[in-house]
Amino acid sequence: NAGVTQTPKFRILKIGQSMTLQCTQDMNHNYMYWYRQDPGMGLKLIYYSVGAGITDKGEVPNGYNVSRSTTEDFPLRLELAAPSQTSVYFCASRTNDQPQHFGDGTRLSIL
Amino acid sequence: RKEVEQDPGPFNVPEGATVAFNCTYSNSASQSFFWYRQDCRKEPKLLMSVYSSGNEDGRFTAQLNRASQYISLLIRDSKLSDSATYLCVVNPSMGSSNTGKLIFGQGTTLQVKP
Repeated sequence: NAGVTQTPKFRILKIGQSMTLQCTQDMNHNYMYWYRQDPGMGLKLIYYSVGAGITDKGEVPNGYNVSRSTTEDFPLRLELAAPSQTSVYFCASRTNDQPQHFGDGTRLSIL
Repeated sequence: RKEVEQDPGPFNVPEGATVAFNCTYSNSASQSFFWYRQDCRKEPKLLMSVYSSGNEDGRFTAQLNRASQYISLLIRDSKLSDSATYLCVVNPSMGSSNTGKLIFGQGTTLQVKP
């Protein structure tokens, strides 16, 4: 029962570097989401997808890109890392009218 | 007005106490509702769905009041392990109009003291 799997769990980046946060789910869920959560704050939606080939911006998309070439995978790309992107990133998935399942999170620090 | 509003707390209660949280939502067409629990620096985990008739799971009871547009979570006989942040989640649409976005509240922090 893998559920939603995120990799890596931790990463330190230098300013200006790029990286991809991986998210995969094995539940055949059509909806997938990326959130960030800063210390002491709530979840903020970065991007989401309602199915393969379809992505939409959330409330804080600047500095990020996503793709959804398959139902299972929803990678999040940071092209030019900035200190403001230091956060915990959660990927989630769900199917129609059901609650979301979250991955364990990726803790990202940009120095 | 925020789409989903919660009192951030913290709620500090002794072990064994009963505590209740409310969450209000602005979209009267919202269809499904959930309570999640989030421990410090961990991912949110589903605590329970909220059904129109109300539902109970052990010490936890969830209620929905569509007329007043709020949902509630009642925790009886609080345990130290109940200390966490409780997130209210609303699905504002359903079926063919489902945009996919769930709306999360900011969370209510509960601290249960010995």
